[in-house]
Amino acid sequence: ETGVTQTPRHLVMGMTNKKSLKCEQHLGHNAMYWYKQSAKKPLELMFVYSLEERVENNSVPSRFSPECPNSSHLFLHLHTLQPEDSALYLCASSPQRQGQETQYFGPGTRLLVL
Amino acid sequence: GQNIDQPTEMTATEGAIVQINCTYQTSGFNGLFWYQQHAGEAPTFLSYNVLDGLEEKGRFSSFLSRSKGYSYLLLKELQMKDSASYLCAVRDGDYKLSFGAGTTVTVRA
Repeated sequence: ETGVTQTPRHLVMGMTNKKSLKCEQHLGHNAMYWYKQSAKKPLELMFVYSLEERVENNSVPSRFSPECPNSSHLFLHLHTLQPEDSALYLCASSPQRQGQETQYFGPGTRLLVL
Repeated sequence: GQNIDQPTEMTATEGAIVQINCTYQTSGFNGLFWYQQHAGEAPTFLSYNVLDGLEEKGRFSSFLSRSKGYSYLLLKELQMKDSASYLCAVRDGDYKLSFGAGTTVTVRA
């Protein structure tokens, strides 16, 4: 059983919709991440939060808006998306210790933008 | 930018050995990770190397040469359940992991 959960698992939305992806980690970690995974492409880091503060923002379009209300929860708010935003969105968390700081991934949300 | 290369696909027979190579050129280096990802599932951690040499963990081993910007993941005694995508990732700072596109391994009976 994974310590990182994501909802919904699948989402279909139109370009004018507003939706939110939710991630929750039950591992007591301090850092949380959003990644985008498109077919045959590397995982792309979108956002990083450490202790509820955003520490990394990789030139992501403003139609993606993250929110981290506490160290256990992470949201990705979506609005006016484009068809090319269709992808698997993965959330991850890590303990933020020195050394082997493994990231633990959630199952992902499969997003289709029509 | 970061550049992490690994082969797209590999096929091997059950019981055999497969070696997945990964070369990287990154602005910094703070460890290299290998993840396994089955279709439709989350990536799961396999191994971590930060010093040169071989790390062995059961049927899986990972090697790192920092001077060559090179790593490999060795899968021994292949099983059908090992059919998956294997992701090489380099941590180049405190948080950021840069990933390769993944190597799809198909194990045949």
